Amino acid sequence: EVQLVESGGDLVQPGGSLRLSCAASGFIFSSFWMTWVRQAPGKGLEWVANIKQDGSEKYYVDSVRGRFTISRDNAKNSVYLHINSLRAEDTAVYYCARDGITIKKNSDTSSSYLYDYMDVWGKGTTVAVSS
Amino acid sequence: DIQMTQSPSSLSASVGDRVTITCRASQGVRSFLNWYQQRPGKAPKLLIYAASSLYSGVPSRFSGSGSGTDFTLTISGLQPEDFANYYCQQSYSTPRTFGQGTKLEIK
Repeated sequence: EVQLVESGGDLVQPGGSLRLSCAASGFIFSSFWMTWVRQAPGKGLEWVANIKQDGSEKYYVDSVRGRFTISRDNAKNSVYLHINSLRAEDTAVYYCARDGITIKKNSDTSSSYLYDYMDVWGKGTTVAVSS
Repeated sequence: DIQMTQSPSSLSASVGDRVTITCRASQGVRSFLNWYQQRPGKAPKLLIYAASSLYSGVPSRFSGSGSGTDFTLTISGLQPEDFANYYCQQSYSTPRTFGQGTKLEIK
């Protein structure tokens, strides 16, 4: 069974740090980009960061760049999110997701494009920032 | 960053109805547009990718259309399990961005 399981969420004080983990199983982990998405209480989804298969490329949303670091260990089938200088606005459920891809031909241009999407999600881990 | 705007923010409908949710991008994203469903307390699930392709296992009552800046998600023949939140997301550029969501409620 294809599965992602997050862990590491906790109640932390402002300015604190955490490391979130996401363990993958049931698929060839090293073949996929991986993404972290968060959702503040009662709010919508926010894309946070993603990482290439070999870890050589990483991208972040502006609001976390410099405080969050995404990493992965393909030998352990795991992706991580290191969070520093936590703020109240970082309070959220953090989901990890697999980036699936499909190559599809565009009917208008006859060109083929690589489309990506988040096709497998974990159940999430909760980070609460409060003094 | 590309901003995604969904309308309406909430919608009331009855079982069996046909509903349409709209998503507009602040700049063209070609067909790089995905739709997700999220039930309360659960992780999101992929419904549609590449604007109009139905993801494996998703019922055929879900369909997507559009390209460029304007997209729609249509649910034909609402079922009780369809009452949930729906999000569009562009995969044209980084950071990937989501719409603010549409809450589909039972009338």
